[in-house]
This record gives sequence, C-alpha cells and structure tokens, in this order.
Amino acid sequence: QVQLVESGGGVVQPGRSLRLSCVGSGFNFKNHGMHWIRQVPGKGLDWVAMISYDGGEKLFADSVRGRFTISRDNSKNTQFLQMNNLTPEDTAIYYCAKDNYYDSSGGHMDYWGQGVLVTVSS
Amino acid sequence: SFALTQPPSVSVSPAQTATISCSGENLANKYVAWYQQKPGRSPVLVMYQGSKRPSGISERFSGARFGDKATLTISGTEAPDEADYYCHVWDRKIVFFGGGTRLTVL
Repeated sequence: QVQLVESGGGVVQPGRSLRLSCVGSGFNFKNHGMHWIRQVPGKGLDWVAMISYDGGEKLFADSVRGRFTISRDNSKNTQFLQMNNLTPEDTAIYYCAKDNYYDSSGGHMDYWGQGVLVTVSS
Repeated sequence: SFALTQPPSVSVSPAQTATISCSGENLANKYVAWYQQKPGRSPVLVMYQGSKRPSGISERFSGARFGDKATLTISGTEAPDEADYYCHVWDRKIVFFGGGTRLTVL
C-alpha cells in the first residue's frame, strides 16, 4: 500500500532554516509529482509547493517563493522541502502528498502523509 | 485573482442528504477534487475530476460541476461522515483549496 512518511519537523527560531523529508513507498515514486501542503492546527489547508516527477518543474505558493525550495531524490524515493528564513507564520503541520499525475497537469492528491509539525518560535 | 469559496458549516440529520458547495470561476471546466479530514487525521481524497470516486469511497458520495460551482453530495449521511471537507483545483500552475466546510451530523 502507498505510504508517505514525513520527518524533520521541530521547533526552530525565527530566521533559521529547517529541512523536511518525505519518503514514499508502495508506488512508483519516480513517475509522480509530489506536493507539500501545510495546515495551521484548527485552520484550513494551505498549498506550499509541488515538484514534477523528474524535478524539472517546481512550483511555489506566493507566501513561500524565494524562501523555500523543493527537491527530490528518486533513487531514494524521497522529496525534500528546504525552508529558509522561517517566520512564526510558517508554524503549521506540513503534509507530503502524492499527485496522481507526473506534473502540474491538473491532477489531485491521492495520498497524504501523516504530517509533521513545524513550530517557529523564539 | 482566483479563489475557491465554501460555506464554513453545513448541518444535516442522520440518513438525510448533505450538499457542500464550492464556488470559483469556471469550475465546470476544471478538475475539482474533494478531501475529507477528520479531527487529528490527514486529509483523504473522496472525489476527483468533479464526479469520480476513488476506490474504497462509499457510493453515498457523489460530485458535480456546473458553471462556477462544484458540489459534493453525501446521501444517507452517517455519523462517521462528520468531518471537514475541502475542495481543490489547479489554476494557472497554482493549487487552490477552498476554506473548508465543517459537516455536522446532528
């Protein structure tokens, strides 16, 4: 069965950096686009970024563009979210999600990880 | 700019039909997906391409798109259907989620 497992969350001071990882299993990782979506507890879903199957296409929400980068290592079935210059507004649960397509062709997120909490606080 | 609008809450009695709406420009021509999220859990896909159900999702769930609106309908609503529901589309290389609708089964 499809599994997505995030790691790398924690407490970090404003202005610092953090890198999240997401390992996928149970599907052909290299054939699918991957997303990061975040959610402040008690609030709605907020899309962060997406990377195409081969890493050739990378898309970001306006709120994180220029501070966050997304990458993937298909040999390790893993995607990453590098978060720089973090602010308290970045505090949220970060979910990794699999796209049913290989790029931004208008697919949907058919599987989600369990999420990892990032807290930005001094 | 593009946005998706959902009612914050919908209430329904058990065994009745619940309809959750999602409004946005030209949704009839976009691939609309719906996610169910229960407290403390990750979202689960319950509808995609407007009206297609993933395997394992009850036939009580159905979806439609027309004009600037999409709907998720749950027939014969049961207590376990109580959750937050989010619509989702792509628009110009950006992913949009609706603000979410809390479905309460009274």
